[in-house]
This record gives sequence, C-alpha cells and structure tokens, in this order.
Amino acid sequence: QVQLVESGGGLVKPGGSLRLSCAASGFTFSDYYMGWIRQAPGKGLEWVSYISSSGGTIYYADSVKGRFTISRDNAKNSLYLQMNSLRAEDTAVYYCARGRERIQFWSIDYWGQGTLVTVSS
Amino acid sequence: EIVLTQSPGTLSLSPGERATLSCRASQSVASSYLAWYQQKPGQAPRLLIYGASSRATGIPDRFSGSGSGADFTLTISRLEPEDFAVYFCQQYGRSGLTFGGGTKVEIK
Repeated sequence: QVQLVESGGGLVKPGGSLRLSCAASGFTFSDYYMGWIRQAPGKGLEWVSYISSSGGTIYYADSVKGRFTISRDNAKNSLYLQMNSLRAEDTAVYYCARGRERIQFWSIDYWGQGTLVTVSS
Repeated sequence: EIVLTQSPGTLSLSPGERATLSCRASQSVASSYLAWYQQKPGQAPRLLIYGASSRATGIPDRFSGSGSGADFTLTISRLEPEDFAVYFCQQYGRSGLTFGGGTKVEIK
C-alpha cells in the first residue's frame, strides 16, 4: 500500500534552516508529481510547493518563494523540502503529498502523517 | 490567485441528516481542478471527491460532489457518526493550489 513518511521536523530559531524528507513506498515514485502542504496549528491547509515526476517542473507558493527549495531523488524514492530563513509564520505541520493525476498536481490522493515544524526563539 | 470561500463555517446536524457544504470561488474554476477533502482531528486530510464530482477510491456513495464555474457543493446524503469532521475544498490553477477555509460538521 502507498505510504508517505515525513521526517526532519523540529524546533528552529527564526532565520534558521531545516530540511524535511519524505520516504515513499508502495507505488512507482518516479511516475508521480509530489508536493508539500502545510497546516498551521488550528488553521486551514496551505499549499507550499510541488514538483513534477522528473523534477523538471517546480512551483512554489508566494509565501515561501526564494526561501524554500523542493527536490526529489527518484532512485531513493524520496522527496525533500529545504527550508531557509524560517519565520514564525512557517510554524505548521508539513505534509508530504502525492498528486492523484500523475501528469499533474490537480488533487492529492495520498498524504503523509505530517511532521511539525516550530519556528520560535 | 483564486480564493475559495466555504460556507457555512460550522454545520450542526444529527446522524442521519443531510449535509450540504458550499465552496464558492472568486473566479471560474475548471471542474477537473476542484477537489474535496475530509480531515479528522490529529489526522491527515483524506481525498473524497476529485474533478468536482468523482468519488475517490473507497469513498462511500453517500458522498457526492456537484457544481461548475464558481459554485461547487459537497453533499453527504445521510450523516454517519464517522462523518463528523472538517471538510476542505481545493482548486488547482496557474498560481498553484488553494484551499478553502473549511466547514466543520459537528454533532447537534
């Protein structure tokens, strides 16, 4: 069965960096668009970034553009999110997500359990 | 950026009743690009509906989606105890994905 397991969350000071990882299994990782979605405590969902199956197409939300970098390693079935210049408003649970449609990221059919990132001094 | 507004914010209903959730977009959304999710406390969201009206794998037929243009609806025909949760709509556009603020369906 499809599994997405995030890691790398934790407490970081404002201005600091963190790298999230997502280990995928149960499907052909290299066939699917993947992305990151976040949810601040008690709030709604916010799309962060997504990447095409080959890694050649990448999009970011304006709120993270220039600070976050998404990448993938298809040989390792892994998705990453490098987060730099972190701010208090980046505090959230970060979910790894798989695009349902393969050819695009129109909707999300599988989500990881999430990893909490807390930005605080 | 397309803004999605969900209403009502909270829906108080009893098991067995019908739930009608609304998602209104600030501009027209292609039906292929509209999805609905259910989220329970402490859990990741679960895909219910994609393409505005297609049920995801394993989703009971009491869940249905409809609508087009800028107005979309999620209907739960008869609420089961496990359906009390928060529901989000989501669209895909040139600026990426956006989510509505959510509707909480609570037990009356």
